[in-house]
Amino acid sequence: AQSVTQLGSHVSVSEGALVLLRCNYSSSVPPYLFWYVQYPNQGLQLLLKYTSAATLVKGINGFEAEFKKSETSFHLTKPSAHMSDAAEYFCAVQSRTDKLIFGTGTRLQVFP
Amino acid sequence: DAGVIQSPRHEVTEMGQEVTLRCKPISGHDYLFWYRQTMMRGLELLIYFNNNVPIDDSGMPEDRFSAKMPNASFSTLKIQPSEPRDSAVYFCASSLLNYRGQTEAFFGQGTRLTVV
Repeated sequence: AQSVTQLGSHVSVSEGALVLLRCNYSSSVPPYLFWYVQYPNQGLQLLLKYTSAATLVKGINGFEAEFKKSETSFHLTKPSAHMSDAAEYFCAVQSRTDKLIFGTGTRLQVFP
Repeated sequence: DAGVIQSPRHEVTEMGQEVTLRCKPISGHDYLFWYRQTMMRGLELLIYFNNNVPIDDSGMPEDRFSAKMPNASFSTLKIQPSEPRDSAVYFCASSLLNYRGQTEAFFGQGTRLTVV
């Protein structure tokens, strides 16, 4: 069975500060891992994905995530937060032919 | 492609009525997922299809919920009878499994259901 755990339902940072959103996964097979972002009253948009190629994955809007098998982690980072980054972020795991499972989400607030 | 299309965007209905949510996946995609999002429970997978066949419906909350995919370009999620606790945003998503592996899931804009 697969699952993801997102540590921290709310994260607050100042504009220009580092963003770090944590995700740990559990999977019995090599996983595909995703980060999605959801802006208010909208659907989910893909930020980035890991599919067993490079362990450091770069996504849109300056976000990146690093797959660490030894830590079963896939944390999302951005060096400098922008006001427009305020949204809810979801980590998700999927095996090659299985269902896509989401974490509980982390709401990011960015203060001026 | 226009992306995943869901209809209606908003639905308000009275308790006990039948509700049907519709989804048109991205052309060529072979996986279709139905999710429900609430403040209390987050994003829950209800059911998913592969090549129009239901693979896992273990997330469907009750027999009042049913989903069909009569062809590759259309799926429905039906609630009969509806109850206030079914109020949520329902998302449909589709993806493709190709020689490179699984693509990411593309989401529709969601249907906001309110049962009064």
